[in-house]
Amino acid sequence: AQKITQTQPGMFVQEKEAVTLDCTYDTSDPSYGLFWYKQPSSGEMIFLIYQGSYDQQNATEGRYSLNFQKARKSANLVISASQLGDSAMYFCAMRDSGSSNTGKLIFGQGTTLQVKP
Amino acid sequence: EADIYQTPRYLVIGTGKKITLECSQTMGHDKMYWYQQDPGMELHLIHYSYGVNSTEKGDLSSESTVSRIRTEHFPLTLESARPSHTSQYLCASSDVRQMYQETQYFGPGTRLLVL
Repeated sequence: AQKITQTQPGMFVQEKEAVTLDCTYDTSDPSYGLFWYKQPSSGEMIFLIYQGSYDQQNATEGRYSLNFQKARKSANLVISASQLGDSAMYFCAMRDSGSSNTGKLIFGQGTTLQVKP
Repeated sequence: EADIYQTPRYLVIGTGKKITLECSQTMGHDKMYWYQQDPGMELHLIHYSYGVNSTEKGDLSSESTVSRIRTEHFPLTLESARPSHTSQYLCASSDVRQMYQETQYFGPGTRLLVL
């Protein structure tokens, strides 16, 4: 069965510094997609970045980049130059590529990031 | 930018009441999803739909029901609310035409409190 693991329940980072949020996954399927979402205290889920299993390059979107290590089955999110507005819960998710191609997402437990001024 | 809406944002209701949580999207997405999330926890899929007149139960068992009569609308109904239904409910949609990536875009969520 597919599984996402985020081992850091909470993280602190100083404003303007970079921070890495860990995510490991388990799947036997050669084709899969990995997503990161941000959830502020208001509750909505904001899509940040996507990495496909066949993508040769690590994904980047502005201050967000994904450190994708396929052999280790890890897809860590790197946030550069942290801002106070980055304080939120961050979820790693994998698209369920099982039967019927439902497009369902499997979520990790989340990591709460607090940016200190 | 995603255009997916949920109402109400917050709902406090007594046990035994029937409630409907609304979800609408204006992006023409075929696939829609309902997730349930307890505070500080991961999301669990409770319902999904491939398109009009198509609904399936998700991984987490739920007493709620859904319908998909129009592409843009995917309401969730609880016939008799109980305190155990207290949670946040998040609606999402994705574009099957994206094929490989198929990013899910989420609404703002409904926080339900059943007394």
